[in-house]
Amino acid sequence: SQQGEEDPQALSIQEGENATMNCSYKTSINNLQWYRQNSGRGLVHLILIRSNEREKHSGRLRVTLDTSKKSSSLLITASRAADTASYFCATDHSGYSTLTFGKGTMLLVSP
Amino acid sequence: DVKVTQSSRYLVKRTGEKVFLECVQDMDHENMFWYRQDPGLGLRLIYFSYDVKMKEKGDIPEGYSVSREKKERFSLILESASTNQTSMYLCASSLTQDRELFFGEGSRLTVL
Repeated sequence: SQQGEEDPQALSIQEGENATMNCSYKTSINNLQWYRQNSGRGLVHLILIRSNEREKHSGRLRVTLDTSKKSSSLLITASRAADTASYFCATDHSGYSTLTFGKGTMLLVSP
Repeated sequence: DVKVTQSSRYLVKRTGEKVFLECVQDMDHENMFWYRQDPGLGLRLIYFSYDVKMKEKGDIPEGYSVSREKKERFSLILESASTNQTSMYLCASSLTQDRELFFGEGSRLTVL
């Protein structure tokens, strides 16, 4: 399976702390994407990083990609209660028609 | 902003009923997708479509069919609903380049 694996499965932090989630995958990618899902809702695209990029920022989000280790991390700085959600990585692999999603990291940010 | 609209947020159906889940996108995207999401299993692709009247099987097409008669609309059909099809169904669309997906709010189906 090409499925990415997020780590940890669940993360609980206090407001103001940073949250780091990791994603590993098995075969080479064209790009890697991160999505957020609030409870009971659809997924929302956060950020896309291409295989030739190493780091990307969007507001309080920082994504890194290490293609030699086949892994990516999502850092949310200065977390807020509103960041409570599940976060998924999705990989775009050469030769595959569609994205492959991991099972997600559930983030709980307590006030 | 891209909007993907799923016709029903919550549905309750009986075993054996035919179920239609409708999805409409307003950004002229070529690609549309149906996923189901279950606890511990993540998102699993049921069917996708790259163009009008075209469809491709995903990872778990059994028990489902789809219809794409117009570019903006992609329907998921459960010919004879079963209890193991109780799930959250998510529709998504994308342009071909980069494959960034835009999701609807989901349809939570319960089959009794």
